[in-house]
Amino acid sequence: AQSVAQPEDQVNVAEGNPLTVKCTYSVSGNPYLFWYVQYPNRGLQFLLKYITGDNLVKGSYGFEAEFNKSQTSFHLKKPSALVSDSALYFCAVNSYGQNFVFGPGTRLSVLP
Amino acid sequence: DVKVTQSSRYLVKRTGEKVFLECVQDMDHENMFWYRQDPGLGLRLIYFSYDVKMKEKGDIPEGYSVSREKKERFSLILESASTNQTSMYLCASILDRGEGGNQPQHFGDGTRLSIL
Repeated sequence: AQSVAQPEDQVNVAEGNPLTVKCTYSVSGNPYLFWYVQYPNRGLQFLLKYITGDNLVKGSYGFEAEFNKSQTSFHLKKPSALVSDSALYFCAVNSYGQNFVFGPGTRLSVLP
Repeated sequence: DVKVTQSSRYLVKRTGEKVFLECVQDMDHENMFWYRQDPGLGLRLIYFSYDVKMKEKGDIPEGYSVSREKKERFSLILESASTNQTSMYLCASILDRGEGGNQPQHFGDGTRLSIL
C-alpha cells in the first residue's frame, strides 16, 4: 500500500531564510511525487512533480524539491521564504494504475 | 486553464437530511474524485469515477454515494447526514489515468459542510 508521511505539523521560518518542508513516502513500483499548496478556504494548487529524470525539480513560485530514492524522500525547498508563502503544504504520491495518496499536511508560517 | 467549480463554498444542514454536493469541470476530463479533508488527516478519497455512469469506492465510502450522469459533472450525496460528516469536501479531476497517474489533479475550492 502507498503511504506518505510529513513528519512536521508546523514549520516556522523567518522571511528571507531558506525553508524546507519534509516528505517521505512508501510505494511499490516507481513513484510519482507531487507537492500542492493550499491557501485559506481554497482548494489545492499544484506546485511541482517528480516523474523521472533529474532528482531536482523546479516548480511554481520559486519552489523546488529533491527526490532521494535511497531515503524515499521528496523534500520541498525554497532558498528565500516570503510571508506570502505561509500556507498548508501537501505531499502526494502515486504510481502506475493507483490513486493518489496525500500526506497529512504541513503548515508553513513565514514570520516577517 | 482547467477550472473545477464546486457549487457551494459553505453549506449548513441538519442531521438526517439528504445533502447534494455538486462539482463541474470544464476540460473534458475523464476522471473525477471526491475527497474529504480533516485536520491532521490530509485528504481521504471517498469515491472516484473514470467515466460517465461509472464509479469506484475510495477509502472511506460509508455514508456517501455519487452520481455521474454527464462527463463534466460529479455529484456527492450524503444519504442521511450525520455530525461526523462535518468536513471540508474537495472535488478534483484529471484527464486520464492511462498515463499511469503522472499528471497532477486539478481541484475545486472546496465546500465547507457543517451538519448540525
